[in-house]
Amino acid sequence: GAVVSQHPSWVICKSGTSVKIECRSLDFQATTMFWYRQFPKQSLMLMATSNEGSKATYEQGVEKDKFLINHASLTLSTLTVTSAHPEDSSFYICSVGSGGRGGYSNQPQHFGDGTRLSIL
Amino acid sequence: GESVGLHLPTLSVQEGDNSIINCAYSNSASDYFIWYKQESGKGPQFIIDIRSNMDKRQGQRVTVLLNKTVKHLSLQIAATQPGDSAVYFCAENISGANNLFFGTGTRLTVIP
Repeated sequence: GAVVSQHPSWVICKSGTSVKIECRSLDFQATTMFWYRQFPKQSLMLMATSNEGSKATYEQGVEKDKFLINHASLTLSTLTVTSAHPEDSSFYICSVGSGGRGGYSNQPQHFGDGTRLSIL
Repeated sequence: GESVGLHLPTLSVQEGDNSIINCAYSNSASDYFIWYKQESGKGPQFIIDIRSNMDKRQGQRVTVLLNKTVKHLSLQIAATQPGDSAVYFCAENISGANNLFFGTGTRLTVIP
């Protein structure tokens, strides 16, 4: 499966700061990447689908102006949490679909090791 | 040992025993299912998948069973090892759609 790298793995910052998280597909050209959020002892919830060269598709209830997604190349998607507040503290995980360019399906998805975001 | 998924999110087994982790999925239109393993502080790791045209699929030490009639999925781990300790999630998908819906997860603890 695809090898996915996330950076940074852990961020602690003050309330009001904007934080950028990078997701890289190291061995696969990914037209589609996915961003999830996971609160402690809970399951993963899909936030948005990142599409290379076009706008991201956000899930219901996810503020697109707060969680900015950029997928400028086939190997990199970024998630920027703007003006972060303590309630944004969570584990953010990206994934890469298996379909790639010309692929039929984006499953199974392969995940990065996540970014733990702590807002003070 | 056996878990009942949503109602018993923890499962403890002795090393060497077989483990069975259960999952009830919600969408009758789902036709593709994946089991993931998540260790503490890491992202989910793909274990095994199954499509709805099958009712059983085997991997290395793992078997997934699918019962579409009752919308039930299980993961069997043979000869459970301490390294198998993790949270296990089932995920469901409708072919062609991007969305992958995760279950609540079951924490497996292997007792040496």
